[in-house]
Amino acid sequence: AQTVTQSQPEMSVQEAETVTLSCTYDTSESDYYLFWYKQPPSRQMILVIRQEAYKQQNATENRFSVNFQKAAKSFSLKISDSQLGDAAMYFCAYKRENGNKLVFGAGTILRVKS
Amino acid sequence: KAGVTQTPRYLIKTRGQQVTLSCSPISGHRSVSWYQQTPGQGLQFLFEYFSETQRNKGNFPGRFSGRQFSNSRSEMNVSTLELGDSALYLCASSLGQGFNEQFFGPGTRLTVL
Repeated sequence: AQTVTQSQPEMSVQEAETVTLSCTYDTSESDYYLFWYKQPPSRQMILVIRQEAYKQQNATENRFSVNFQKAAKSFSLKISDSQLGDAAMYFCAYKRENGNKLVFGAGTILRVKS
Repeated sequence: KAGVTQTPRYLIKTRGQQVTLSCSPISGHRSVSWYQQTPGQGLQFLFEYFSETQRNKGNFPGRFSGRQFSNSRSEMNVSTLELGDSALYLCASSLGQGFNEQFFGPGTRLTVL
C-alpha cells in the first residue's frame, strides 16, 4: 500500500520569506502523480501544484515550486515570497496512474508571521 | 461554473441513527470521491464513483455506503452511527479518472452525540 509522510507537523515563516515543506512517499509503482493541497481555515481544499512522476522537470506555479526526487521518493514544496494568505494546512497527496483515490499525508500547518 | 456543493453543511446526530450526505459535482464531471477527515486519522479515502459505478473503496466498515446517480450527483450513507464517525466529510469531483484535477467541496461537518 502506498503511504505519504509529512514529518513537519507545523512550520512558521516570516512574510516575504521562503519556506519548504517536506513530503516523502512510498510506492512500488513507476507511474503516479503527486499533489500539494492547501486547506485554509475555511476548510475548502484547494490544489496548489501537481507533478507527474514521469516528468523529470519540477513543476512550478507562480510562487510555488516543487523539488521532486523520484529515486529518493521525496516531493517537497517551496513557497517563495510568503504571504499572509498562504497560512493554511498543507497536504501532500499521492495518486496512482489509474483511478482517483488520493492518499494524503498527515499535513503541515503553515503559519505566516507579519 | 458552480463549484462542488455538499449538503448539508452541518449535521448533528445521535448514536445509532443513520445519515445521508449529498454531493453535487461540477457540471460535466463524472467522477466523485469521498473522504473522511478527522484530527486523529487525517484524510482517509472512503470510495470513488464514476459513471454510477463504485470504482474503488477504502478500508471502512460496511456501515459506510454510497451511490451515484445518472446526473453524477452522489450520496453517502452511514448507518448505525458511532461517536467515532464524527468528522468532516469531503467530496471531490473530477472530469474522469487519471490526471484530471480533483475539485473539493466545502465538506459536511457531522457530529455524533
